[in-house]
Amino acid sequence: KAGVTQTPRYLIKTRGQQVTLSCSPISGHRSVSWYQQTPGQGLQFLFEYFSETQRNKGNFPGRFSGRQFSNSRSEMNVSTLELGDSALYLCASSLVPINTEAFFGQGTRLTVV
Amino acid sequence: GQQLNQSPQSMFIQEGEDVSMNCTSSSIFNTWLWYKQDPGEGPVLLIALYKAGELTSNGRLTAQFGITRKDSFLNISASIPSDVGIYFCAGLKNNDMRFGAGTRLTVKP
Repeated sequence: KAGVTQTPRYLIKTRGQQVTLSCSPISGHRSVSWYQQTPGQGLQFLFEYFSETQRNKGNFPGRFSGRQFSNSRSEMNVSTLELGDSALYLCASSLVPINTEAFFGQGTRLTVV
Repeated sequence: GQQLNQSPQSMFIQEGEDVSMNCTSSSIFNTWLWYKQDPGEGPVLLIALYKAGELTSNGRLTAQFGITRKDSFLNISASIPSDVGIYFCAGLKNNDMRFGAGTRLTVKP
């Protein structure tokens, strides 16, 4: 059974640009959660999607947005990138919303220069 | 939101030693989880705890869900070099998941 797949693995963008990250959950999983991980702030919850609907949202500015498609794949978008957006972005999938059996992808390392 | 208080921040131990780390919170949680993260990878779930007072083992790992539901600890016995990594605790309540800052474990052969 394939795990959670995140693409791309690495990304370098300049300030002001926008970026889209992708997450393909484990087959059959309908919930996808996104997290930002930085050395200073640790793991912070961004948002969660279930059945194409955003169910929960963390405390991040509106520049961070996401969506989920009918096949449960999810994308996360960050507009007007800032240097502080440099981080490892992780997604996790589970059968039901933020279920304990949540499996993480390898993450996308975003560097903003 | 309020993150969990995880300690210690880092540990340097000799191979074969036992390790203990813990997580505390001012809020109660219904579920406690422990993850391990290797460099450049996503966290991997090690142990999940669902009930106050529960003690669960996974090989050399043992974790407990505190009676007050506000804390949890993880023990690793007879550490080996591949135990190196960052260990995170997470508390879950009503679809809200909070994380500790992590304990970075270094094991010297």
